[in-house]
Amino acid sequence: GAVVSQHPSRVICKSGTSVKIECRSLDFQATTMFWYRQFPKKSLMLMATSNEGSKATYEQGVEKDKFLINHASLTLSTLTVTSAHPEDSSFYICSATPGTPSSGAYFSYEQYFGPGTRLTVT
Amino acid sequence: GQNIDQPTEMTATEGAIVQINCTYQTSGFNGLFWYQQHAGEAPTFLSYNVLDGLEEKGRFSSFLSRSKGYSYLLLKELQMKDSASYLCAVLDSNYQLIWGAGTKLIIKP
Repeated sequence: GAVVSQHPSRVICKSGTSVKIECRSLDFQATTMFWYRQFPKKSLMLMATSNEGSKATYEQGVEKDKFLINHASLTLSTLTVTSAHPEDSSFYICSATPGTPSSGAYFSYEQYFGPGTRLTVT
Repeated sequence: GQNIDQPTEMTATEGAIVQINCTYQTSGFNGLFWYQQHAGEAPTFLSYNVLDGLEEKGRFSSFLSRSKGYSYLLLKELQMKDSASYLCAVLDSNYQLIWGAGTKLIIKP
């Protein structure tokens, strides 16, 4: 159980175009989804946290108008990189958790990761 | 500020034992996770500790000392497939995961 899918796995786009990445929880309802980017040989960098039906909370330094996040349902969140530039090239990973901060159980905070999306902007 | 420290890289021999340390300074503590990440793949969950002591799960064990802000991941009977990065992450008082930079473990035959 607890499978998260991510699509596409790889995408190459031209500078100035927009790219949408989908993250789906396949066998559980994800109250909260997280979007990370990871540079080579670096740790995960949290970009934003999204709760179903509400606006995403962006981390400091992440442009919310450039990285549009929509969490329209309990099983789907999307990240759209708008007007992509070569410096946006990275490995983008989503994760999902079934719990909420009020649940109190650790498994609520275990994050189930998608397989990641390798974005290359030329 | 919040800080998670772990060694950048470690090397060990197949069949041996290796201990990966993690020290943390965070605003509050609601548990510590260890994740394994193979190159080009997403992290996978290994363990969770919220109380002091050792949690054993097969070849992998994780230890926590909250008073020292310290944890380690112990890998026994190392196999080549254990070559990966190991990420330490702490759940802070806001229930947000704070990630370490990861330890790249290289296993040699």
